[in-house]
Amino acid sequence: QLQLQESGPGLVKPSETLSLTCTVSGGSISSSSYYWGWIRQPPGKGLEWIGSIYYSGSTYYNPSLKSRVTISVDTSKNQFSLKLSSVTAADTAVYYCASLPIMITFGGVIAYFDYWGQGTLVTVSS
Amino acid sequence: QSALTQPASVSGSPGQSITISCTGTSSDVGSYNLVSWYQQHPGKAPKLMIYEVSKRPSGVSNRFSGSKSGNTASLTISGLQAEDEADYYCCSYAGSSTCVFGGGTKLTVL
Repeated sequence: QLQLQESGPGLVKPSETLSLTCTVSGGSISSSSYYWGWIRQPPGKGLEWIGSIYYSGSTYYNPSLKSRVTISVDTSKNQFSLKLSSVTAADTAVYYCASLPIMITFGGVIAYFDYWGQGTLVTVSS
Repeated sequence: QSALTQPASVSGSPGQSITISCTGTSSDVGSYNLVSWYQQHPGKAPKLMIYEVSKRPSGVSNRFSGSKSGNTASLTISGLQAEDEADYYCCSYAGSSTCVFGGGTKLTVL
């Protein structure tokens, strides 16, 4: 069973770049069966998909965040990472990483999150 | 991408059944049988309860079921239990390997 764990600073200053890493255990990030994704949840609010990455480096981003988001993968460490630039208080949220199974019967799309990390709170404040 | 529409709250008594709706558009819910549902208890990570509209992952109670009609998907919980009290989120594929979540529904077990 896959396990995911987020790590990174819990406090980021406005205008700086938020950086988080997700470490995958119980399976290989180079699996041909999965994409890997980031989701966030502002305090007291709903979930928002940020983006997803395949081990080859292929990425998909939420159009509303695309200009500020970079997701990368490090297969040697079984990790993938999130960078969100020019952050403001509106980026304060719990950030989750998750796995997305590739749905062969639907032409290889990714559409749901089966395993989640516990989440990490990132506060944007000076 | 606009968030899918869910009722802010629903409630029910133990043993009853409740249904949570999730309304999208012809560009997401209406176009694909790729709606998923997540349960989130306070302070915890979301948990996958339903995928592909009506499929349950291993270990999820058969009291949870999903369906879809047109642009609206639904999650039904039968035989309501106290432990079902949580927030529930729907998520739909929206094309080009993107997905959009609903705003969430707080379920209260009376």
